Amino acid sequence: EVQLVESGGGLVKPGGSLRLSCVASGFTFTNAWMNWVRQAPGKGLEWVGRIKSKTDGGTTDYAAPVKGRFTISRDDSKNTLYLQMNSLTTEDTAVYYCIRYKPLEGVYWGQGTLVTVSS
Amino acid sequence: EIVLTQSPGTLSLSPGERATLSCRASQSINSIYLAWYQQKPGQAPRLLVYGASSRATGIPDRFSGSGSGTDFTLTISRLEPEDFAVYYCQQFGSSPYTFGQGTKLDIK
Repeated sequence: EVQLVESGGGLVKPGGSLRLSCVASGFTFTNAWMNWVRQAPGKGLEWVGRIKSKTDGGTTDYAAPVKGRFTISRDDSKNTLYLQMNSLTTEDTAVYYCIRYKPLEGVYWGQGTLVTVSS
Repeated sequence: EIVLTQSPGTLSLSPGERATLSCRASQSINSIYLAWYQQKPGQAPRLLVYGASSRATGIPDRFSGSGSGTDFTLTISRLEPEDFAVYYCQQFGSSPYTFGQGTKLDIK
């Protein structure tokens, strides 16, 4: 069974940093392209970014609002995905989800972790 | 960037009725990269359909997805009380992997 478990959320002041983690199990993490998605309170879903598998280059893509501030990385030895968030603003307050999409198989979501940016 | 436009924004129906939700893309998408989700308050999104028309595991057969190119549809054949929620489409065909803005399905 595929499981994705996020952690690391919390309260941070504007301008601060936070690192989220997502531990994966139930599939071959090394081969997976992984994504982060967020949802601000009362708003819709917003894709944050993606990292390819190392065999596919390990490259990253980001949504415009987070580009240059957020960094996605992975540690395949720990089956863990990371989201490093810097220069946080109140607009980054959201529940953050890690998701895995596999064509012809489906989309798997974690339960999410809440990040609150407030002074 | 592929923009996904969902319509209607809100759909008011009664249990037992048929619901038809639309997701229109600004550019053509390979069908294997289109997914639909259901979300209820305080919960993570639940995958309903992937590959435009494949039901996810455990999803009742009253939910069906169809479409190709730029026009995709999620149909709920007979609404049950638990189906009233917000529905989103998402495309994985081209980065950024955008979402539609959502359709709220509420009880009439």
